[in-house]
Amino acid sequence: KAGVTQTPRYLIKTRGQQVTLSCSPISGHRSVSWYQQTPGQGLQFLFEYFSETQRNKGNFPGRFSGRQFSNSRSEMNVSTLELGDSALYLCASSSQGRYGYTFGSGTRLTVV
Amino acid sequence: AQSVTQLGSHVSVSEGALVLLRCNYSSSVPPYLFWYVQYPNQGLQLLLKYTSAATLVKGINGFEAEFKKSETSFHLTKPSAHMSDAAEYFCAVSDGRDGNKLVFGAGTILRVKS
Repeated sequence: KAGVTQTPRYLIKTRGQQVTLSCSPISGHRSVSWYQQTPGQGLQFLFEYFSETQRNKGNFPGRFSGRQFSNSRSEMNVSTLELGDSALYLCASSSQGRYGYTFGSGTRLTVV
Repeated sequence: AQSVTQLGSHVSVSEGALVLLRCNYSSSVPPYLFWYVQYPNQGLQLLLKYTSAATLVKGINGFEAEFKKSETSFHLTKPSAHMSDAAEYFCAVSDGRDGNKLVFGAGTILRVKS
């Protein structure tokens, strides 16, 4: 069974630009969550999607958005990038939350 | 609200020694608890999970954890450390409801000395 696939693995963007990250969940998993990992703030929840609907959202500004497609693939978008958005962005998929979440390898975003 | 505290941001053990990584949680509802491991430039790998069945949970790579409700703890142990165990370990809590988030601790970096 293929794992969670995140693309691209690395990105370098300039302040003010926007970026789109992609996540393909494990086949059959309909829940996709996104997390931001930084040295200062640790792992923080961004949002969760299930069947193309956002079910939960973390405490991030509106510049952070996401969506999920009918095949459960998900994208997250960050507009008007700031230096502080530099982070490892992790995607996780699940069949049901209590069974655990499988994480992808992440996308390392650097904003310069 | 749920929270996780991991005692010790860095733990150092000798190869072959006992590994003990501490995790205490706070939850207003019966928790679902997880331990993840992260190697450099990698995502998170699930080591084990507690989902209200047996209180002693066995995971991959010889790790296990015991859920102690009275102590609100879920410490991770391994009888004998191996060099390949060197990584960062995260404890996380969830209320188990679909759609709800994992709340992570700050992480513990495990160093294994030869």
